Amino acid sequence: AQTVTQSQPEMSVQEAETVTLSCTYDTSESNYYLFWYKQPPSRQMILVIRQEAYKQQNATENRFSVNFQKAAKSFSLKISDSQLGDTAMYFCASQGGSEKLVFGKGTKLTVNP
Amino acid sequence: DAGVIQSPRHEVTEMGQEVTLRCKPISGHNSLFWYRQTMMRGLELLIYFNNNVPIDDSGMPEDRFSAKMPNASFSTLKIQPSEPRDSAVYFCASSGTGYFGELFFGEGSRLTVL
Repeated sequence: AQTVTQSQPEMSVQEAETVTLSCTYDTSESNYYLFWYKQPPSRQMILVIRQEAYKQQNATENRFSVNFQKAAKSFSLKISDSQLGDTAMYFCASQGGSEKLVFGKGTKLTVNP
Repeated sequence: DAGVIQSPRHEVTEMGQEVTLRCKPISGHNSLFWYRQTMMRGLELLIYFNNNVPIDDSGMPEDRFSAKMPNASFSTLKIQPSEPRDSAVYFCASSGTGYFGELFFGEGSRLTVL
């Protein structure tokens, strides 16, 4: 069974600074995908970034990038130049083979002006 | 383009009543997912449909819960009878590429059972 662990329940960062959210996962699948989803106060979940495990290059989407350490089963999210609109819950998720998409418990990020 | 549409957004009901949550997936998506979110348990997958057929319902908590997808543009999640521990936010999500694709979530239905 897959597990996803987010060890930081809450974090805060000053506007324009950089913040890194941690995630570790465990899976027995050889081919799997990792995701970061954002849930703003409006409640709707939005995909931030996706990483395919067989790709060594870390995924990047504008100000969002990941540090994917396959051997360590670590998948952290870096947000550069933080903006007030980045305030949200962030969920790490893993999916492999025929397994369900499994979410971590989330990290509440607050960007302070 | 319209996203995933869920109704109602909020539902308050009394224990023992029947609750029906509705979802309209994005047109053209062939996979539909129902999730439940609570503080204690986080996000849990309840059931997954592919091409209107239930593929994995192992997350459905008990027989009080049932889900249907009569056609590609509509799904329901029914709880009968409802209990206070069913209080949660229920999300519907759809995907065009099955399990490995990006999930597009609705805004959720917040259910409160008194």
